[in-house]
Amino acid sequence: EADIYQTPRYLVIGTGKKITLECSQTMGHDKMYWYQQDPGMELHLIHYSYGVNSTEKGDLSSESTVSRIRTEHFPLTLESARPSHTSQYLCASSSPSGRPYNEQFFGPGTRLTVL
Amino acid sequence: AQTVTQSQPEMSVQEAETVTLSCTYDTSESDYYLFWYKQPPSRQMILVIRQEAYKQQNATENRFSVNFQKAAKSFSLKISDSQLGDAAMYFCAFRPGFGNEKLTFGTGTRLTIIP
Repeated sequence: EADIYQTPRYLVIGTGKKITLECSQTMGHDKMYWYQQDPGMELHLIHYSYGVNSTEKGDLSSESTVSRIRTEHFPLTLESARPSHTSQYLCASSSPSGRPYNEQFFGPGTRLTVL
Repeated sequence: AQTVTQSQPEMSVQEAETVTLSCTYDTSESDYYLFWYKQPPSRQMILVIRQEAYKQQNATENRFSVNFQKAAKSFSLKISDSQLGDAAMYFCAFRPGFGNEKLTFGTGTRLTIIP
């Protein structure tokens, strides 16, 4: 079944650790996105990619980095986690341009806590 | 730049009754899309309903309908015959027309269903 997956779902880690949040989609989408969402708050776009080897920063500044080596895979990396990075991270993907209703489909999210 | 405003942080409704969630937006774009997303507690965010700005007819999806007032830049969501499964955070989102697929989200409305 076509879907979008994120691992881990929950992560508690100490300050200074390097972490990678995984996002994969089997929907055949070329566009992928990372959002940051504090509890009960709106989503803020931090990274997006319109295809392989294409990555752009979003509207909210983030110390994280992303890569897009494969169409279906869009991992997010924090080189040195800090308590200010504590948040929920949502991955999304959307269908090719030119089609109507190219809505974004969301993964289940990774809830990150940095101690 | 676009802004999306949801002025109701929390709403509650009796089961089987009707509730309306409000959303206003500000943009200089003439071509755009509007969305309502639902985020149940600890579950995946899903699209509830979408509206193309060039369509005058209000979108409807089963018990969910919108009141789109383009001149007033208003996009409210009406949920009829509310069910316990409707309890969630509801986010209004804006996206410019083709070529720019970044979503701008409102701050969300937490909807509680009273049995």
